[in-house]
Amino acid sequence: GDSVTQMEGPVTLSEEAFLTINCTYTATGYPSLFWYVQYPGEGLQLLLKATKADDKGSNKGFEATYRKETTSFHLEKGSVQVSDSAVYFCALSIGGAQKLVFGQGTRLTINP
Amino acid sequence: GAGVSQSPRYKVAKRGQDVALRCDPISGHVSLFWYQQALGQGPEFLTYFQNEAQLDKSGLPSDRFFAERPEGSVSTLKIQRTQQEDSAVYLCASSLEGGSRQPQHFGDGTRLSIL
Repeated sequence: GDSVTQMEGPVTLSEEAFLTINCTYTATGYPSLFWYVQYPGEGLQLLLKATKADDKGSNKGFEATYRKETTSFHLEKGSVQVSDSAVYFCALSIGGAQKLVFGQGTRLTINP
Repeated sequence: GAGVSQSPRYKVAKRGQDVALRCDPISGHVSLFWYQQALGQGPEFLTYFQNEAQLDKSGLPSDRFFAERPEGSVSTLKIQRTQQEDSAVYLCASSLEGGSRQPQHFGDGTRLSIL
């Protein structure tokens, strides 16, 4: 079945460090890929998305590129801030199935 | 507000009781989804509506779980004869129209605790 595997957390970095959170997927079709973020005490928010191979999604300094050859959608940010501390979820959705399939989430903590 | 609204935010029930969780999607959104999120895990799909039609209920864990959206707007997730393993955060999401490329907008969830 379709699945998403994320880098296990928790991840702790210092402010201004470079961030990578790995995400790989298994899909029976051609998925759309998403990163969602959950800040403390808040609901899930869409961070970025990509709907076809080689597309790059970007938002708030975060980027992820849809790599079909490696079935990956790694999240990157060049210089993290304390306010980026949250749980990050990679997810996929396929065709008419509509539903999102999520990874287990990666908790990120940024220290000043 | 303009977002997805869920109520109650927190619900505590005794094992064996029935509970009902409500979701108000974003106005005009055709698609509505329910997910279950266990502690420390990613959300898992329960069921999906397009307008009032329940098109996918493959994720409902047992026949104790029932969802409806009778007028194609507000949805209710009902759990009968609750059990401790039902304790989780229940998330509702809506999207403007069908198709896997449409982003889903999530509510803050209902945290259900079964004693």
